Amino acid sequence: DAGITQSPRYKITETGRQVTLMCHQTWSHSYMFWYRQDLGHGLRLIYYSAAADITDKGEVPDGYVVSRSKTENFPLTLESATRSQTSVYFCASSRDRNSPLHFGNGTRLTVT
Amino acid sequence: QKEVEQDPGPLSVPEGAIVSLNCTYSNSAFQYFMWYRQYSRKGPELLMYTYSSGNKEDGRFTAQVDKSSKYISLFIRDSQPSDSATYLCAAVNEAGTALIFGKGTTLSVSS
Repeated sequence: DAGITQSPRYKITETGRQVTLMCHQTWSHSYMFWYRQDLGHGLRLIYYSAAADITDKGEVPDGYVVSRSKTENFPLTLESATRSQTSVYFCASSRDRNSPLHFGNGTRLTVT
Repeated sequence: QKEVEQDPGPLSVPEGAIVSLNCTYSNSAFQYFMWYRQYSRKGPELLMYTYSSGNKEDGRFTAQVDKSSKYISLFIRDSQPSDSATYLCAAVNEAGTALIFGKGTTLSVSS
């Protein structure tokens, strides 16, 4: 029961570089989400997807791009990383719109 | 004003104490509520899932929702050092498309 896996666990990148965070789930859940977690702000939604090829913005989408060509994968790309994007990023999935979310263990991203 | 508010603590209690964690929310359309526990350097894990008002019990944990006052609570009985973590309350947003989280309360249980 692999569940939901994120990679890499840790990433250091420079300002202006493109970086992609990966998320893979084995439950065939319809919904997938990307959150970022910062001190003082808690968990904030970046993007979500209700199904393959359907994505929508959350609370803090600026500077991020997502895609979902397959149900099980939901990569998050920072097109030109900024220091303000230093954070812990969590991917999550859920069976349907009102079901609980199941989270991965996060990617800790540092932008220097 | 954030839609789900939570006192960040920290909260420190001795082993065996009863712990009460609380959140308030602003949107009366919220109907589904959850409590998550997060250990350091781990993802949040689901503890309790409730719909509408009332109580739900699972072992040492009880979740309570009072929709009239827009208040949600988590009670932990006989607290253990292993309960030391950050507890996050959450509500499904009105569109039913995502969870809105409180900022989390950090709990420390000393033996």
